[in-house]
Amino acid sequence: DAMVIQNPRYQVTQFGKPVTLSCSQTLNHNVMYWYQQKSSQAPKLLFHYYDKDFNNEADTPDNFQSRRPNTSFCFLDIRSPGLGDAAMYLCATRLERGRQPQHFGDGTRLSIL
Amino acid sequence: GESVGLHLPTLSVQEGDNSIINCAYSNSASDYFIWYKQESGKGPQFIIDIRSNMDKRQGQRVTVLLNKTVKHLSLQIAATQPGDSAVYFCAENFGNEKLTFGTGTRLTIIP
Repeated sequence: DAMVIQNPRYQVTQFGKPVTLSCSQTLNHNVMYWYQQKSSQAPKLLFHYYDKDFNNEADTPDNFQSRRPNTSFCFLDIRSPGLGDAAMYLCATRLERGRQPQHFGDGTRLSIL
Repeated sequence: GESVGLHLPTLSVQEGDNSIINCAYSNSASDYFIWYKQESGKGPQFIIDIRSNMDKRQGQRVTVLLNKTVKHLSLQIAATQPGDSAVYFCAENFGNEKLTFGTGTRLTIIP
């Protein structure tokens, strides 16, 4: 059974048209992460939540925002997608801080027309 | 077959042989390390982890070795199977909440 669920698996949007990607988890983990992964590259952390505390990476563009309305759900909002934002977006969770693995969903593949 | 650090992103191995994937990590203060397997179109899948107070850990068909002196991590896969074809990432943990991923190695199994 999938424990980190990302919807949709594939998303197509137009240049400049806002888009929201969603992630839900059944693990009741405190920490949730959003990564961007481009072809043949490692995942790049955009931001993460520890509970309700939001932590933005210094090089994450202002175009990217996130919401976590409750423990189970986290959203990635891209306000004005550009062609360079086409990528796989991965959500991950971790039970707590410290030496534990992150658990990943299967991602949303975002295409920009 | 064996990859050398992060400079050889592709490794081809005969089915049934052992694979060794290497990773040079960056931060001597990192205290926890993970290997992930990522198949095409899927998210990274946890394989095995190791804490910095250990130098070896074994799982089913996989072994992770940690050499803190030279900041080197390796993943050994025994009796490689076609299902092992994927990209393998090492990741290091420093601080409490974030992982830093290595470049990745694409493992291809030759029938």
